[in-house]
Amino acid sequence: DIVMTQSPDSLAVSLGERATINCKSSQSVLYSSNNKNYLAWFQQKPGQPPKLLIYWASTRDSGVPDRFSGSGSETDFTLTISSLQAEDVAVYYCQQHYNFPLTFGQGTKVEI
Amino acid sequence: QITLKESGPTLVKPTQTLTLTCTFSGFSLSTSGVGVDWIRQPPGKALEWLAVISWNDEKRFSPSLKSRLSITKDTSKNQVLLTMTNMDPVDTATYYCARSPGYSRIDYWGQGTLVTVSS
Repeated sequence: DIVMTQSPDSLAVSLGERATINCKSSQSVLYSSNNKNYLAWFQQKPGQPPKLLIYWASTRDSGVPDRFSGSGSETDFTLTISSLQAEDVAVYYCQQHYNFPLTFGQGTKVEI
Repeated sequence: QITLKESGPTLVKPTQTLTLTCTFSGFSLSTSGVGVDWIRQPPGKALEWLAVISWNDEKRFSPSLKSRLSITKDTSKNQVLLTMTNMDPVDTATYYCARSPGYSRIDYWGQGTLVTVSS
């Protein structure tokens, strides 16, 4: 199985400041045939299902504010919230879909 | 508009079999590349992928749970069924179904259903 490890487990950021979450995979999730990283980021608010934010490591899903951005390749990835808003308080998960079983990181809790 | 909804028992006893139904709309499980996944989340814990069934009836399972899981689809009813045998209190979790539009990635999720395993 590919192990996904996020850091930190939690972080507190002031409103308007930048939040950075890291995700490391135990093996590369880059498919050389199409040069795509099979890495997604989800946001989960209390009592709600996860919501897709980013796929292919850096492509924002439709309707996701541009303050959310994803970067990285192969084994090291980052989710950045450029200017934290109150509604961004949530747990964030990275997930690889490079191979089965699909695996998620342990989650990073973002607070104000 | 794509929606998914999970249904099934909220309480099961240890050793019983759990059957959950995912009813979806807005997409077809006959479309090439599409799949429906099941993922669970114990209270306060992280997400755990369980299984997927694809448009061509290909099935994949979590290795740690493979012996206890089965997954089937009824394309005409837009439903996917997940069965988990020999339930244990550690299986208490919110169970989600989600769409996979291709390349095994996941986009839309259902609201989830909390299943408690207790005698």
